[in-house]
Amino acid sequence: GAGVSQTPSNKVTEKGKYVELRCDPISGHTALYWYRQSLGQGPEFLIYFQGTGAADDSGLPNDRFFAVRPEGSVSTLKIQRTERGDSAVYLCASSHASGNTGELFFGEGSRLTVL
Amino acid sequence: AQSVAQPEDQVNVAEGNPLTVKCTYSVSGNPYLFWYVQYPNRGLQFLLKYITGDNLVKGSYGFEAEFNKSQTSFHLKKPSALVSDSALYFCAVRDLNDYKLSFGAGTTVTVRA
Repeated sequence: GAGVSQTPSNKVTEKGKYVELRCDPISGHTALYWYRQSLGQGPEFLIYFQGTGAADDSGLPNDRFFAVRPEGSVSTLKIQRTERGDSAVYLCASSHASGNTGELFFGEGSRLTVL
Repeated sequence: AQSVAQPEDQVNVAEGNPLTVKCTYSVSGNPYLFWYVQYPNRGLQFLLKYITGDNLVKGSYGFEAEFNKSQTSFHLKKPSALVSDSALYFCAVRDLNDYKLSFGAGTTVTVRA
């Protein structure tokens, strides 16, 4: 497809389990972002990739969260030992601009529910 | 540090009336400003952006926004609202020297027929 694709769209897991969320950006977009959106709040920055490397991971809340983008395209957000507070919609976005003036194109998100 | 404030949680207008959604920002340098819209169970959609140049920016679906540097504002406007404009609107800012966007908490717009 032409847009940012995120899978799964919904994930229900139990506290303490491991979760992976996948993002397939728009073809050719070198910049990739992960955001988290809790109910009633705006998206909160987690991590930014330029190519394969994480250029800014300052938004990751703790060391249970990790993200990779090994070939500079698809990215996976990994959450270890999930907690109920991790429940949110995880949004992925990509951008084509080499500079930072370009808008972000968002996927529809992965809704994570931790029971 | 960069931040965005959307002072209104909700805006209610009648169809055909003008719509304004307020946004103020804080950055250390020159701002890049964006508006996004989110429909229920959908991803965020880009509406418009201000990078440089004319302070009045026109975007998708008849929306426009005015950059006001002295008031550090970037209010979203539409001259004649439609029922289909009912959605959640987010303002976002990026500092000149940064790549991440910082979003406001959002404003729910309801346009009644």
